[in-house]
Order: sequence, then structure tokens, then C-alpha cells
Amino acid sequence: DAGITQSPRYKITETGRQVTLMCHQTWSHSYMFWYRQDLGHGLRLIYYSAAADITDKGEVPDGYVVSRSKTENFPLTLESATRSQTSVYFCASRAPGTEGRPQHFGDGTRLSIL
Amino acid sequence: GENVEQHPSTLSVQEGDSAVIKCTYSDSASNYFPWYKQELGKRPQLIIDIRSNVGEKKDQRIAVTLNKTAKHFSLHITETQPEDSAVYFCAASNPGANNLFFGTGTRLTVIP
Repeated sequence: DAGITQSPRYKITETGRQVTLMCHQTWSHSYMFWYRQDLGHGLRLIYYSAAADITDKGEVPDGYVVSRSKTENFPLTLESATRSQTSVYFCASRAPGTEGRPQHFGDGTRLSIL
Repeated sequence: GENVEQHPSTLSVQEGDSAVIKCTYSDSASNYFPWYKQELGKRPQLIIDIRSNVGEKKDQRIAVTLNKTAKHFSLHITETQPEDSAVYFCAASNPGANNLFFGTGTRLTVIP
């Protein structure tokens, strides 16, 4: 689905550096999510946002910061990258509603921290 | 919170055979159960979903069944083809949660 795009697709950085992963969606979905995917752990939720200026922690938020000043953007920042944050990061979005809505994923960012 | 367990972690089948992946969930309030397929190096993509007011749903060669009493749901793929080879994830959500809770995935290999 071209409606949600992540950048960059690949990133290599060093420990201690700050790095920001971008996520942009064109569906005007109110909900956006950040996951990390590691072997043996599946998809683990880092942070999510229910609307602009509303964010909440997921399962593994430590070491990450998010913001949501506009509905369409949901950047994820690693303020001081560590090797344990080497992973594939997926952004997702969904429409509002409590009766269950599918999440739609971006293509992911493969992040390596040396 | 919700806990979703998925089995098996790997599954190999001969082309043309059926494949079944099972998931259990812990929160009886969960009411939405999607399944995602992830090919190597690609994004997870929704292939089928089911809500708790339905016991079974089919879409061509794939089907999902839900047993609310036992709190488990399963993905069935019939007449498997090599292009079905991928990692499959189950997930669950409930009205009180804003996000999905994912299983750890099943790597399906279809042997030609």
C-alpha cells in the first residue's frame, strides 16, 4: 500500500548517535504505530498515537521518543542509539474505531547500529 | 494485558497439502483477530481477519476459525502453493486497547 511510507529504508549509524526514522501516511488515519521486529520476538510495539499530539507507550518504549505534530507524520527518534536497538522498524496506521480495524504497514527501516 | 501464543513456529508442507496455524489468546474481551503474511524482506500484509461475532470466514484458499470459548483461532490454507511460503502472524485486539497484540510468527515453507 503506497499510502504509508517510511524513510530511510536502510540506515547504519554508531552507538551514541541520534537517529530519526520517518513515517508518513496519506489516508488521514488517526492511529499510528511503531513496531520493532527481531528474530524470535515477532512484532513488538514501541509507541503508538491515537491522534495528533496524543502518544502512548507500548511494550518496549525505553530509549525511544516519538512526536505527532501532524496527523500524517509520526517520527521515531533514538536519542542515543545502542547496539540492542539494531532491528527492523515498521510503522503502521489504522482508521479509528473500537470494533477492530486492520493495521496497514509501511515497508520498514532496517537499522544497524555499530 | 493480552497474550497471544502461536504454534508451530515452523511448518513445512508439500505443495498441494493443507497448512494449519494455531493461536491462543488470554483476554476474553478480545474481539478482533487479523492474520498477516510477511514475505522475506517485505512488510506484513493483512490476508484475512475475523471478528468475535463470527465463527469462520473464508477467502478462496484461506480460512480462519474462531473458538471464543476455548480462546483460540486458527488459519487454514488449502492447496498450498510455493508462493504461500512466508512468515504468518496472528494478532488480537479488544475494545479497550488501541493496538494489536501479535503472536511470534510461523514460518511456512511449501515444498514443490
